[in-house]
Amino acid sequence: EAGVTQFPSHSVIEKGQTVTLRCDPISGHDNLYWYRRVMGKEIKFLLHFVKESKQDESGMPNNRFLAERTGGTYSTLKVQPAELEDSGVYFCASSQRGEQFFGPGTRLTVL
Amino acid sequence: AQSVTQPDIHITVSEGASLELRCNYSYGATPYLFWYVQSPGQGLQLLLKYFSGDTLVQGIKGFEAEFKRSQSSFNLRKPSVHWSDAAEYFCALSNGGYQKVTFGIGTKLQVIP
Repeated sequence: EAGVTQFPSHSVIEKGQTVTLRCDPISGHDNLYWYRRVMGKEIKFLLHFVKESKQDESGMPNNRFLAERTGGTYSTLKVQPAELEDSGVYFCASSQRGEQFFGPGTRLTVL
Repeated sequence: AQSVTQPDIHITVSEGASLELRCNYSYGATPYLFWYVQSPGQGLQLLLKYFSGDTLVQGIKGFEAEFKRSQSSFNLRKPSVHWSDAAEYFCALSNGGYQKVTFGIGTKLQVIP
């Protein structure tokens, strides 16, 4: 069974540009989570989907971040426009019975 | 607010030596506690978890952790470290179920020959 996959693995963009990160959860997992780790800091929760609905988006930093999960399968996280402080590693996780399985992360660098 | 503290950012141990990674938490009740490991280029892998019951929890790769309520601690241990254990280790907690996970800052483990 394939694990959680994320694309791209790395992204380097300039301040003001737009970037879209993608997460493919484990097949059949209704719960999907986004987390972010800024360099030198803890991994922080961003939001939680149950199927296509946002269950908890309390961790989203501001309205430059837009997460979607159309059809309840894969999810995208768009940052528009990107700022320097958005640099970090973005993790996705999915779960079906409580335990969260994490993807390898997308390393985003904003120059 | 709930939080997790990992006081050691970097730890270096010799291969074959024992290991203990410290973790303290702040939470109103008994949380669900986890240890994750991230090897380079890999995702976060769950080593072990504590929900209730026996306070000594066995995990994968020969790791164990002990929950101590009186000390609000959940330290990770391994009796003999292998070079392949070099990675970053995260202590974490949640309210349970499908709730978000709160992570500590992580401890990078270096293993020397």
